[in-house]
Amino acid sequence: DGGITQSPKYLFRKEGQNVTLSCEQNLNHDAMYWYRQDPGQGLRLIYYSQIVNDFQKGDIAEGYSVSREKKESFPLTVTSAQKNPTAFYLCATSGGYRVPQETQYFGPGTRLLVL
Amino acid sequence: AQKITQTQPGMFVQEKEAVTLDCTYDTSDQSYGLFWYKQPSSGEMIFLIYQGSYDEQNATEGRYSLNFQKARKSANLVISASQLGDSAMYFCAMRTTGANSKLTFGKGITLSVRP
Repeated sequence: DGGITQSPKYLFRKEGQNVTLSCEQNLNHDAMYWYRQDPGQGLRLIYYSQIVNDFQKGDIAEGYSVSREKKESFPLTVTSAQKNPTAFYLCATSGGYRVPQETQYFGPGTRLLVL
Repeated sequence: AQKITQTQPGMFVQEKEAVTLDCTYDTSDQSYGLFWYKQPSSGEMIFLIYQGSYDEQNATEGRYSLNFQKARKSANLVISASQLGDSAMYFCAMRTTGANSKLTFGKGITLSVRP
């Protein structure tokens, strides 16, 4: 089955701890994105990558880091510098053969809570 | 800068009736795309429909249609024959074309379908 998987579904972070959210896709899409959603709000872009080994900061990149070593994977690390990390994190991909190519498809999300 | 505005409070509709969800946008670009996504309580964002700025016809996808009024900068989603499963948050989003363009989301509208 083609799709986007995110793990874990729920993640708990202690003060001062770095945590990594996983995003994997087998859609063969070139571009991948990370968004943050706070309650009652729309999505805000954290980082995106249009090709392997390259990524760009989004609107709220401070306190986050990413890597794109493989086309299928785009992990997001929430560092201790992110002072308010409690949110719902969504990974998305785009670039397939369906029209329009810029349509983004989303994974099921990871809910991050601070202990 | 791009901006999406969704100002309706929570919307209610009777099952089997039609409902319109409002979206206005602001951009100085001539070429852009407009998207609607559905977010049920599970959290996953589901792509519903797309409208390109140069498309002359309003987009339709099954029970979903997009009432695109370019001069008014509005892109309202119409859901016909509402079903209980349509109860969810609905987000309007816009993406301009060109290198490193991003998807900008509105804050969403909650739709509740009454039996």
